[in-house]
Amino acid sequence: DAGVTQSPTHLIKTRGQQVTLRCSPKSGHDTVSWYQQALGQGPQFIFQYYEEEERQRGNFPDRFSGHQFPNYSSELNVNALLLGDSALYLCASSFVVLRHGYTFGSGTRLTVV
Amino acid sequence: EDQVTQSPEALRLQEGESSSLNCSYTVSGLRGLFWYRQDPGKGPEFLFTLYSAGEEKEKERLKATLTKKESFLHITAPKPEDSATYLCAVQAEKDDKIIFGKGTRLHILP
Repeated sequence: DAGVTQSPTHLIKTRGQQVTLRCSPKSGHDTVSWYQQALGQGPQFIFQYYEEEERQRGNFPDRFSGHQFPNYSSELNVNALLLGDSALYLCASSFVVLRHGYTFGSGTRLTVV
Repeated sequence: EDQVTQSPEALRLQEGESSSLNCSYTVSGLRGLFWYRQDPGKGPEFLFTLYSAGEEKEKERLKATLTKKESFLHITAPKPEDSATYLCAVQAEKDDKIIFGKGTRLHILP
């Protein structure tokens, strides 16, 4: 049973560029959440998608946007990249009723130069 | 504002030396508290969910407990393979958001 799959695993972008990260949730899960984790910090909540709608959002600017597709997979888009956007971006999936914790992917390491 | 504080930030133990990690939280209505383990360069791995004060969960050398203000992750006779960052997270009733602490980096020396 495949867990959460994220792509790409690593990415280097230049300031001002745009990036798209992708996530396929664990089989049977319908909710996808995205987190940003800076080095030495805990994951920070970006937003959550359920039924193709953004259900909740953390304290991130509008440069961060997302999408969920009918097959429950999701994309995270970041526009006008800043150096401070360099981080590990984690995707977590769950079934709506969260009883067993999120299942996380291994993340995408984004470096902005 | 909902908040999660973990202590210590880092902990070095000898193999077999038991200890506890602390997670203090402030949240208006706790739906659940989660513990995760994270290895370098990997995503967090789910360990436990606790829902109410007095609840305890165990898995191998780990035991998690919960009070109304904090949770402890007790590690008994740790081994080097227990070295990792341990993350605590809380889910609030009012909006279901899950907030993480900064984690405790645990290093077990052989």
